[in-house]
Amino acid sequence: DAGITQSPRHKVTETGTPVTLRCHQTENHRYMYWYRQDPGHGLRLIHYSYGVKDTDKGEVSDGYSVSRSKTEDFLLTLESATSSQTSVYFCAISEPKNEKLFFGSGTQLSVL
Amino acid sequence: GNSVTQMEGPVTLSEEAFLTINCTYTATGYPSLFWYVQYPGEGLQLLLKATKADDKGSNKGFEATYRKETTSFHLEKGSVQVSDSAVYFCALSAITGGGNKLTFGTGTQLKVEL
Repeated sequence: DAGITQSPRHKVTETGTPVTLRCHQTENHRYMYWYRQDPGHGLRLIHYSYGVKDTDKGEVSDGYSVSRSKTEDFLLTLESATSSQTSVYFCAISEPKNEKLFFGSGTQLSVL
Repeated sequence: GNSVTQMEGPVTLSEEAFLTINCTYTATGYPSLFWYVQYPGEGLQLLLKATKADDKGSNKGFEATYRKETTSFHLEKGSVQVSDSAVYFCALSAITGGGNKLTFGTGTQLKVEL
């Protein structure tokens, strides 16, 4: 299995609070992604990174920010969590010109 | 833009039954196509892929053929097992300078019973 660790695995928080999810990889892959999984929507891309300090928006980026200060870590921050951000969040990694993505085990986030 | 449409689930089958999960896509250019599988409590894993028209991807008894004329990539297995119970996602890729951004379908849950 690809070395991808997501933390925390589960989190319950209140509306309006900031939340940071962490993705850590030991594969030294260049590209990292954050997806959210919701019933009826499949997986949707939030943000992605193509190198240290290089990030860009995906299709559902509103309300989220990311940072990548090291190759191995990709952080997803909800500045002020809302109930619509209750979801399962997956981190993924890949290498240039390799279409295969490796996924972490996910973080279940509940915003009450 | 790109999109993927999958058949609605859940799909419930008896062990050893034949499986088909339909997937059609809309895309510009010539994307690669994938099936990912998600077992309970886990992340997604690549099941198979096809990179050009008429290619057949196969793995673990599952197959799918890239049909450009019908823009389809249906997943099939001749004899399912209880251990195949999972959620299956069809996806297409658009490799850009920013990596491989997959567009996923909504997923189809498969339940296989004895």
